[in-house]
Order: sequence, then C-alpha cells, then structure tokens
Amino acid sequence: DGGITQSPKYLFRKEGQNVTLSCEQNLNHDAMYWYRQDPGQGLRLIYYSQIVNDFQKGDIAEGYSVSREKKESFPLTVTSAQKNPTAFYLCATASGSPYNEQFFGPGTRLTVL
Amino acid sequence: DQQVKQNSPSLSVQEGRISILNCDYTNSMFDYFLWYKKYPAEGPTFLISISSIKDKNEDGRFTVFLNKSAKHLSLHIVPSQPGDSAVYFCAASGASNFNKFYFGSGTKLNVKP
Repeated sequence: DGGITQSPKYLFRKEGQNVTLSCEQNLNHDAMYWYRQDPGQGLRLIYYSQIVNDFQKGDIAEGYSVSREKKESFPLTVTSAQKNPTAFYLCATASGSPYNEQFFGPGTRLTVL
Repeated sequence: DQQVKQNSPSLSVQEGRISILNCDYTNSMFDYFLWYKKYPAEGPTFLISISSIKDKNEDGRFTVFLNKSAKHLSLHIVPSQPGDSAVYFCAASGASNFNKFYFGSGTKLNVKP
C-alpha cells in the first residue's frame, strides 16, 4: 500500500522535552515537507526538503529541526525552544517535478502538557 | 505577508446547489494552482489543479476557473453534496521554486441536506 505514514496519530509530551515526529514515504518522491495546522488556521510551512541531505526553512522554522538522511524519511524534531508546540502536524511529499501536486500524510496531533 | 488568500472562512449551501469557493493571490510568478479538501484530524486530499496556460479545468463535479489578470481562482462544485462538507484550501506554486507551495487559510464548506 503506497503512501505516507505518520506515526503516532496522537502524541503527548511534557513541557521542556524534545519530541520527534516520524514521516515515511514509499512514493519515491524527492520533495518532503512539514506543515503545522492550528485550530481554525491554514497550513504553515515549517521545513521542506527537495533532495536527500538538503532542506530549507519554511515560514515558522524556529524551535524545530529536521534531517533528510534517506529519501524515504523526513523526521521533524520539536524542541523545547518551540513556544507553542501543541498543534496538528502534517507531512507531505511531492515528486519534485513541476506542475505536480503534494500528497499529505494522515497527520500527528501533538499535545504538550 | 500571505501570498494566497481565502477571504471567506465559511460557506453554507443547500444540497444540490452550486458551491463557489474563492481564492486570491498576489504573486504574479505563480503558475500552478491547486485545491485540496480536508476533513478534521486528517491530511488534505488533492482535488483539482490548473496551470496558468489554462483558464478552466473540469473534473466531474469540480471545476476550477483561473483569472490571471485579476489574480483570482475559484472552485465550483455542482451539484453540492453533504459529503462535500469539509475545509477547502487553495494553494499555488511558481516556476522559480516549483517545490514550494503557498496555502490559503481555508474555507469551511457546509452542505445542508
């Protein structure tokens, strides 16, 4: 079954702890993305990667870090420096060619207590 | 500065009637536009797209219209069904960085039976 896997669906952490969100894809897509959605808000880009071992900051990268060591994987670490980490996090992929859509994973709901 | 805007946060229509969702953009370099549908606590799913060389693209009940001079696009859903009730996001990308997508804030559509 091809697609994008984000696990877990729900994640709880204590304030001050770093947490890593998983995103795996078997679509053979070059580009991968992390977005954050807050209640009643749109999608805000955190980081994206167009190719392995390369990534760029999005609009709200502060307090987050990523790595892209493998084509299939793009984990996002939410650090203790992120002031309001509780949100719905979405991973997406795209083929990396022009005029192609993004595909989204099911999302991870992170709650920091 | 938000480059893609959806000025209507919500829209309510009767089942069987037409739903028209609107989107405006400011960056004249955008040349590819997409619409996504999103249910709560799920990832967005791709609906339909249009490139700037066209002014209309149709797929079943969904039609996207692009007015480049006005920097405006719209999604028409005819006939609307209760299952269409969701949040709809428009997105855009440009040739200068076709891997970066800019999203609007979304419009919540409610189709009443």
